[in-house]
Amino acid sequence: DQQVKQNSPSLSVQEGRISILNCDYTNSMFDYFLWYKKYPAEGPTFLISISSIKDKNEDGRFTVFLNKSAKHLSLHIVPSQPGDSAVYFCAASADQGAQKLVFGQGTRLTINP
Amino acid sequence: DTAVSQTPKYLVTQMGNDKSIKCEQNLGHDTMYWYKQDSKKFLKIMFSYNNKELIINETVPNRFSPKSPDKAHLNLHINSLELGDSAVYFCASSQDGASNQPQHFGDGTRLSIL
Repeated sequence: DQQVKQNSPSLSVQEGRISILNCDYTNSMFDYFLWYKKYPAEGPTFLISISSIKDKNEDGRFTVFLNKSAKHLSLHIVPSQPGDSAVYFCAASADQGAQKLVFGQGTRLTINP
Repeated sequence: DTAVSQTPKYLVTQMGNDKSIKCEQNLGHDTMYWYKQDSKKFLKIMFSYNNKELIINETVPNRFSPKSPDKAHLNLHINSLELGDSAVYFCASSQDGASNQPQHFGDGTRLSIL
């Protein structure tokens, strides 16, 4: 039972353009969503998060959008840079007194020069 | 200065052996976690400790035993290793385990069972 899904295993974008990574979830109890970036042989690095009381959160080149009715969130990176090439994981948690992150299977983003 | 560090980075061993993976965080966080990333690349939580107390145990076989000597350390001991235990194991920590805080991850330990 996969509660968080990233349906695109890979995405290729030209440098300077916008990268849009998508994530869908099924559990309506999720109230906190995060995006992580992962390079090979390293651990996931926290990028940006959003609470369910918001629909947008922005941090520099990274913006996360949340559509609760559609149970969908997306990460926008603009402009995309070669260093953004990595695997991006979407994660979610529900307020159950302890944080249990549920991860999607990741999207490999490649930024082409 | 690494925030969450795991040792060893690679671990190759035979079926039936017992092994341990160590994790330390210097972020002053109260909560630590162990995740398993399987061959399909899914990251799944195994355990969570808050101030040395177990708070999450996700139906993991009891061959896996986490131990937290203090809140900066969470070690994972695995008995009678099986082929299916081959995976990358990630340690993580967060401020106090509240649901609206990011977790910070170590670089993982790749466990290979021969």
